[in-house]
Amino acid sequence: SAVISQKPSRDICQRGTSLTIQCQVDSQVTMMFWYRQQPGQSLTLIATANQGSEATYESGFVIDKFPISRPNLTFSTLTVSNMSPEDSSIYLCSVEDTGDEQFFGPGTRLTVL
Amino acid sequence: GESVGLHLPTLSVQEGDNSIINCAYSNSASDYFIWYKQESGKGPQFIIDIRSNMDKRQGQRVTVLLNKTVKHLSLQIAATQPGDSAVYFCAETTGTASKLTFGTGTRLQVML
Repeated sequence: SAVISQKPSRDICQRGTSLTIQCQVDSQVTMMFWYRQQPGQSLTLIATANQGSEATYESGFVIDKFPISRPNLTFSTLTVSNMSPEDSSIYLCSVEDTGDEQFFGPGTRLTVL
Repeated sequence: GESVGLHLPTLSVQEGDNSIINCAYSNSASDYFIWYKQESGKGPQFIIDIRSNMDKRQGQRVTVLLNKTVKHLSLQIAATQPGDSAVYFCAETTGTASKLTFGTGTRLQVML
């Protein structure tokens, strides 16, 4: 299975600022995904990031708030813009491996003050 | 999935007993299901999957059962160990969409 790393692993940020989260995979993958997990809750898909095209956002998530880059088949970034305390969550990237299985990174724990 | 806030359903089992974690899904068109295990401070870890053309699949110490009639999925863990303590999520998707919809999660506590 793919090995996925994320940076930073955690951060504490001030409201109104932005944070860019990086996701690196050890192999080339077509599909990468970004999820949000609010405290004590399940995972919600933010967007699908495919190389060479714009990300596809789920209902309730917009590009201005969560811009995504996918410059190549092993890397993606998610930016959380103009943060508020409600953005405090764990942000996770995942990839679809050679089968249909999705594997997740360790997550980035964000706290907004 | 529907949120249950900070109060996840919890299943407490004795070490060595079998555990059964249940999940109800809502989309009758879903045809691929995955169970994930999430330990504190970590990302979800793939455990086992099943396609809708099957009703049972076994792995090492784990079995997934799928009942499409009532849209129900279960994860059975045999001889539960302390290392099995975690939050377990079911996830579903349709066709080749790849977009996973996660259930609410169940916290498994293994008592020594």
